[in-house]
Amino acid sequence: DVKVTQSSRYLVKRTGEKVFLECVQDMDHENMFWYRQDPGLGLRLIYFSYDVKMKEKGDIPEGYSVSREKKERFSLILESASTNQTSMYLCASRASDRVKRGREQYFGPGTRLTVT
Amino acid sequence: AQSVTQLDSQVPVFEEAPVELRCNYSSSVSVYLFWYVQYPNQGLQLLLKYLSGSTLVESINGFEAEFNKSQTSFHLRKPSVHISDTAEYFCAVRRGSNYKLTFGKGTLLTVNP
Repeated sequence: DVKVTQSSRYLVKRTGEKVFLECVQDMDHENMFWYRQDPGLGLRLIYFSYDVKMKEKGDIPEGYSVSREKKERFSLILESASTNQTSMYLCASRASDRVKRGREQYFGPGTRLTVT
Repeated sequence: AQSVTQLDSQVPVFEEAPVELRCNYSSSVSVYLFWYVQYPNQGLQLLLKYLSGSTLVESINGFEAEFNKSQTSFHLRKPSVHISDTAEYFCAVRRGSNYKLTFGKGTLLTVNP
């Protein structure tokens, strides 16, 4: 069964702290994604990675960075957390198009981050 | 840039009534279309997808969606909803070989007894 796990369901951090959100997938997927979800705004792409050590900015990368040292793990880093980064963060993974095009993304359960 | 419009942010219905959740997208070039569902306090799950072929696609729990290329729409329908269908539904579009999946802002479906 497909599995994407995120390190925490709920997280509370203080302004200025460095925050790490971890995501692990067990499906040997090449592509991994980080989104944030806010009421009325839907899902917005922060960063994605199409291979180990490869990354590309999404629509809202400011204030975030990512790390992908191993294929199964994709980390989102908030260098200095701010209150406007309070949100639900969702990780997703997807197989490469090389074998079959149009594959869907599989999502983790989300991490609800509150920055105070 | 690709955009996805979900025309209704909230849709309240009574149990056993039919429902349609509307989705329009901006590009008419080759696209892959998806509907995801999010139950409270959970991540997103794929409901159904259109890649090619028949324009009508169905899910295992009674939902269906029809790809209409001329109207650039991918509306989601169910002839008779259950209380358990209460959730937020997201339409998403991926353009050809692009990595990105662009999501609509979501439609909250509330099924009342």
